[in-house]
Amino acid sequence: GEDVEQSLFLSVREGDSSVINCTYTDSSSTYLYWYKQEPGAGLQLLTYIFSNMDMKQDQRLTVLLNKKDKHLSLRIADTQTGDSAIYFCAEVSGGYQKVTFGIGTKLQVIP
Amino acid sequence: EAGVTQFPSHSVIEKGQTVTLRCDPISGHDNLYWYRRVMGKEIKFLLHFVKESKQDESGMPNNRFLAERTGGTYSTLKVQPAELEDSGVYFCASSSVAEHNEQFFGPGTRLTVL
Repeated sequence: GEDVEQSLFLSVREGDSSVINCTYTDSSSTYLYWYKQEPGAGLQLLTYIFSNMDMKQDQRLTVLLNKKDKHLSLRIADTQTGDSAIYFCAEVSGGYQKVTFGIGTKLQVIP
Repeated sequence: EAGVTQFPSHSVIEKGQTVTLRCDPISGHDNLYWYRRVMGKEIKFLLHFVKESKQDESGMPNNRFLAERTGGTYSTLKVQPAELEDSGVYFCASSSVAEHNEQFFGPGTRLTVL
């Protein structure tokens, strides 16, 4: 079955690193995504990783994938107040690219 | 280029009434998806159109929900009659094979059923 789990809330101080964790269950996932939702806005694709990769780095963002444990993490270096948002972990599987989302982690950045 | 747009942004209706949500995908995107987030829960897949055809409607909760995409452009999602548990945020997304099927999401419609 498909199930994506992540913690509900994370609070960090501005300038610190944030790490948001996620676990998923579908071993046939082709991509794993991180979406960001700012207040009043839609979901914005932040970054993604192919299921055959272990790590992807994009500026302040680092995605780590442990396929054996089905664990995905998103690290934001030098977290800024503008990073405050809800972050959704999601997996894509199947020929029709169905996206299964986690519940979302609300990141609060304290100035 | 305009992104995915949804209308209305908010809708408040009474139980038993009908509501129609609209989604305009990015021009040229054949794939259109509907998702729903009920308060405190995950964003759940509802259905997927390829052009005007329903490719996968396995997430539609019941027959009170009817989605259409006439002409393969914009889509509507009608709830009739609405129930309290239908309250939530309804997201639409569109994608194109040419863009690696990345799904671009609209801002969502917040539906409140009283």
